[in-house]
Amino acid sequence: GAVVSQHPSRVICKSGTSVKIECRSLDFQATTMFWYRQFPKQSLMLMATSNEGSKATYEQGVEKDKFLINHASLTLSTLTVTSAHPEDSSFYICSARDGLGQPQHFGDGTRLSIL
Amino acid sequence: QKEVEQNSGPLSVPEGAIASLNCTYSDRGSQSFFWYRQYSGKSPELIMFIYSNGDKEDGRFTAQLNKASQYVSLLIRDSQPSDSATYLCAVNTPYNNNDMRFGAGTRLTVKP
Repeated sequence: GAVVSQHPSRVICKSGTSVKIECRSLDFQATTMFWYRQFPKQSLMLMATSNEGSKATYEQGVEKDKFLINHASLTLSTLTVTSAHPEDSSFYICSARDGLGQPQHFGDGTRLSIL
Repeated sequence: QKEVEQNSGPLSVPEGAIASLNCTYSDRGSQSFFWYRQYSGKSPELIMFIYSNGDKEDGRFTAQLNKASQYVSLLIRDSQPSDSATYLCAVNTPYNNNDMRFGAGTRLTVKP
């Protein structure tokens, strides 16, 4: 149980393109989903927390207009990287949990490369 | 002081030995504690969680929690080369919406 599906697994696109990443909880209802970014050999960095039906809470330094998060249902959250540039190239990982204090279950991640 | 601290390593142990991974946390109100394993280039996967003081065993893994000392550890018995990965400690503090804080991780290498 507790499977989180993230799609796509890899994206390569040109600078200026907007990229949408989907995160789905397949066998549980995710009251809260999280979006992380990880650069090579560095720690996970939390970008934002989203609760179903409400606006996402962004961490300090994360541009909400650049990283658009939508959590329209209890099983789906999306992250859109708008007008992506090479410095946005990173490994983006989502996670989901079904309640306070419960473990976060991670998707397989999306490797984003902006040329 | 960081909320969750781990020795970054690398920690190197021979195959078959016990690997001991340690984590300390700053918030005494923390209630839930998790260990994740992250292979290079992959996303984290949950190994164990523990809520009460003492030991919790699952196969070759044992999580140990000491709330008085604000310390949680993970022991890996009979370590295998396939255990080589970065191990992340995560702690739940129930005061805000994002209630899980991750340590930076300890890189473990098990040598054949």
